[in-house]
Amino acid sequence: QSVLTQPPSASGTPGQRVTISCSGSSYNVRINYVYWYQQLPGAAPKLLIYRNDQRPSGVPDRFSGSKSGTSASLAISGLRSEDEADYYCATWDDSLSGEVFGGGTKLTVL
Amino acid sequence: QITLKESGPTLVKPTQTLTLTCSFSGFSLTTSGVGVGWIRQPPGKALEWLAFIFWDDVKRYSPSLRSRLTITKGTSQNQVVLTMTNMDPVDTATYYCAHTWTPDYMDVWGKGTTVTVSS
Repeated sequence: QSVLTQPPSASGTPGQRVTISCSGSSYNVRINYVYWYQQLPGAAPKLLIYRNDQRPSGVPDRFSGSKSGTSASLAISGLRSEDEADYYCATWDDSLSGEVFGGGTKLTVL
Repeated sequence: QITLKESGPTLVKPTQTLTLTCSFSGFSLTTSGVGVGWIRQPPGKALEWLAFIFWDDVKRYSPSLRSRLTITKGTSQNQVVLTMTNMDPVDTATYYCAHTWTPDYMDVWGKGTTVTVSS
């Protein structure tokens, strides 16, 4: 069972906006940066969002991150078929003194 | 351009020690703030962080695996080595290394190497 809780699945149709949540605690999400990774089928994870809401160069602005209290969210607008992937949130946990990942959310584009 | 590549055995027997090497280019582990992390992913399961090593030789380990892990800078300046002792079938996974900025910003990942633990 992951320290960070994500919904196991999410879905949307092309063009829609979907949001994936990441719920943590006062020891992790509330006080540390949250990162989001996208893992396409059969590929290595790729950094999507860093430091809560920053996009690395090359990541489309359709992807956005936010954080409030002990929860963080990844929003994908203008959904495209190539967005179908697993998405993971991650952050440092001060009580565990370790990096923690969410259980991952499988996004399906209908 | 930063690239990383994981290498090591594809098959290890239970109780054996696994040694994985991360060979990288495009950055130096002597640069302030830079590190390398190791992460694994069992088949069909979520990512699990294993360890970090930073430019100043600070090391961080997963608390649940700390007793079994050792991360070091390799003999080559462009390598990081991870060893995991007492391997078990549950350690079967794809193992990734990643370029990391202090404290935990893993921005570039290798393609991963698959390790199977079986007798």
